Amino acid sequence: DSGVTQTPKHLITATGQRVTLRCSPRSGDLSVYWYQQSLDQGLQFLIQYYNGEERAKGNILERFSAQQFPDLHSELNLSSLELGDSALYFCASSPWTSGGAGEQFFGPGTRLTVL
Amino acid sequence: GQSLEQPSEVTAVEGAIVQINCTYQTSGFYGLSWYQQHDGGAPTFLSYNGLDGLEETGRFSSFLSRSDSYGYLLLQELQMKDSASYFCAVTGGGNKLTFGTGTQLKVEL
Repeated sequence: DSGVTQTPKHLITATGQRVTLRCSPRSGDLSVYWYQQSLDQGLQFLIQYYNGEERAKGNILERFSAQQFPDLHSELNLSSLELGDSALYFCASSPWTSGGAGEQFFGPGTRLTVL
Repeated sequence: GQSLEQPSEVTAVEGAIVQINCTYQTSGFYGLSWYQQHDGGAPTFLSYNGLDGLEETGRFSSFLSRSDSYGYLLLQELQMKDSASYFCAVTGGGNKLTFGTGTQLKVEL
């Protein structure tokens, strides 16, 4: 158990809908990262927040957005969902924003299925 | 941009040693990490190389050569439970990880 929690574990929805994925980082970790893992694209970095502020963006679609709240939990919002958005979405946390020796702690993931 | 290459699949027998190579092209490089992921599970951190050379952690070792943009993960005394996918990842600015496509390791009896 990494100490990172994600809810829900599974999510099934229809095209065009909007969903919110939630992540609570390990106690004391200020950085939260979101990743998307699909069969054809592998593990892709989406976005990073550090202590409430956006720090880095990866291949995140405009239909997707995220935020980190004062209690450090984070939410990833996916809207106008398409079939291709079906994937595993991981949240990870670390204490650092840089120079962190590459170690991130991953949550169990949310499996999103868009029908 | 960044790209990482690693073999898609490796098969080895229990008790053997296996090496998984990773080559990378990147702008902004702090180090190379290795993660293990079992089917349906979360990636878990194995090791990190920020400097050239070998890092050893139990049965696992990892090597980095910055001048060659190359690294590898060495797994010794393979066990059935080591069957998993292994990802190399470049740590860039902001501690952001860019992952390779992953190597599926199958350990056979």
